[in-house]
Amino acid sequence: QVQLKETGPDLVQLTQTLSITCTVSGFSLTTYNVHWVRQPPGKGLEWMGAMWNGGGTDYNSAFKSRLSISRDTSKSQVFLKMNSLQTDDTAKYFCARSGGYNLYYVMDAWGQGASVTVSS
Amino acid sequence: DIVMTQSPSSLAVSAGETVTINCKSSQSLLYSGNQKNYLAWYQQKPGQSPKLLIYWASTRQSGVPDRFIGSGSGTDFTLTISSVQAEDLAIYYCQQYYDTPYTFGAGTKLELK
Repeated sequence: QVQLKETGPDLVQLTQTLSITCTVSGFSLTTYNVHWVRQPPGKGLEWMGAMWNGGGTDYNSAFKSRLSISRDTSKSQVFLKMNSLQTDDTAKYFCARSGGYNLYYVMDAWGQGASVTVSS
Repeated sequence: DIVMTQSPSSLAVSAGETVTINCKSSQSLLYSGNQKNYLAWYQQKPGQSPKLLIYWASTRQSGVPDRFIGSGSGTDFTLTISSVQAEDLAIYYCQQYYDTPYTFGAGTKLELK
């Protein structure tokens, strides 16, 4: 059974660093890709970046150099780190999988999301 | 970045009606190498994560009811839901995966009339 689960802090202080872990099961990180997508309260979806199955990464330039995505394949975990947090980074952060047959780029399974509030 | 424009932003429907949601991209999503449109549709119900409905603009994901139909090519796409049911009330997003950064439309909220 394919599962993705995000774990991270509920609250982060202004200008501090956010760290969220996506733990996956039912598939291998060396076969499938993992994306990060966020959704501010009551708003739409924003793609942040991806960890590709070969180990490469892609980032949305909107996050400039604040964002870093890494992984530990032995633990089936993908990590998101974003620094210099502002109040408009308050959002639910989702990890999602792509890479199935005919679905290399398409996000076909999603975690439940981790809600993060940036507090001043 | 490719801009995705969805319309309408909300839609009030009665059960059994057919609805159409439009999505327009700022550049063509049709890749000449394989003649495929790099466009997906997602459904998001309140408090849930998005669910993949359609990819390659018109291919239904496994388990998605056949009342969900995706169509279009190039820059203009449509999601049609025939005979809407109460369980279809949700926000629908289109998303391009032609180029990074992947981008989503702002969403269309389907509500009960």
